[in-house]
Amino acid sequence: EAAVTQSPRSKVAVTGGKVTLSCHQTNNHDYMYWYRQDTGHGLRLIHYSYVADSTEKGDIPDGYKASRPSQENFSLILELASLSQTAVYFCASSGLGGLDTQYFGPGTRLLVL
Amino acid sequence: QQKVQQSPESLSVPEGGMASLNCTSSDRNFQYFWWYRQHSGEGPKALMSIFSDGDKKEGRFTAHLNKASLHVSLHIRDSQPSDSALYFCAAFNYGNEKITFGAGTKLTIKP
Repeated sequence: EAAVTQSPRSKVAVTGGKVTLSCHQTNNHDYMYWYRQDTGHGLRLIHYSYVADSTEKGDIPDGYKASRPSQENFSLILELASLSQTAVYFCASSGLGGLDTQYFGPGTRLLVL
Repeated sequence: QQKVQQSPESLSVPEGGMASLNCTSSDRNFQYFWWYRQHSGEGPKALMSIFSDGDKKEGRFTAHLNKASLHVSLHIRDSQPSDSALYFCAAFNYGNEKITFGAGTKLTIKP
């Protein structure tokens, strides 16, 4: 089965601090995604990438940056963490973009204090 | 207002019963749909996709799509306690090539 791993699995950060969430996939997929999950909002797309060294904005990119240094790795960066960014973050990969099944990682629970 | 709306927000079904979940889009660019399931503490996993009008059956799960009304449903027969989870409808927007998820339906199967 397709494999997507995330690190860390949980993190406590201080307001104004920098947070980096990492994602690694061994599926040989071109597409990778970052979502955040909040109760009542489901999954919302933050950033995505379809090729190394290139990222695209999703639906809620404000306050987040993304980096895709290789096909396997995709990072989400919060330069100045805020209370409103407390959420569970999921990374996913897919082979053919929007018309293909997405494989999700286990999630990172982020608490900003 | 979310462009992919799910109902009900929560649903309780006795073990062995039928669970029916609904999803409606407000944008005609959404033509292709998935159902994902998320157990507590895990990431979502794809259950099935449906791209054509009509029914698609996979084991105990049946999805139904009506493109004219932009409505897709998921029916789970002979529900098991392991089916207790959060179910997401996801739609592919042909206009901007993005996936949009609904807010989810929390399904509880009562033993």
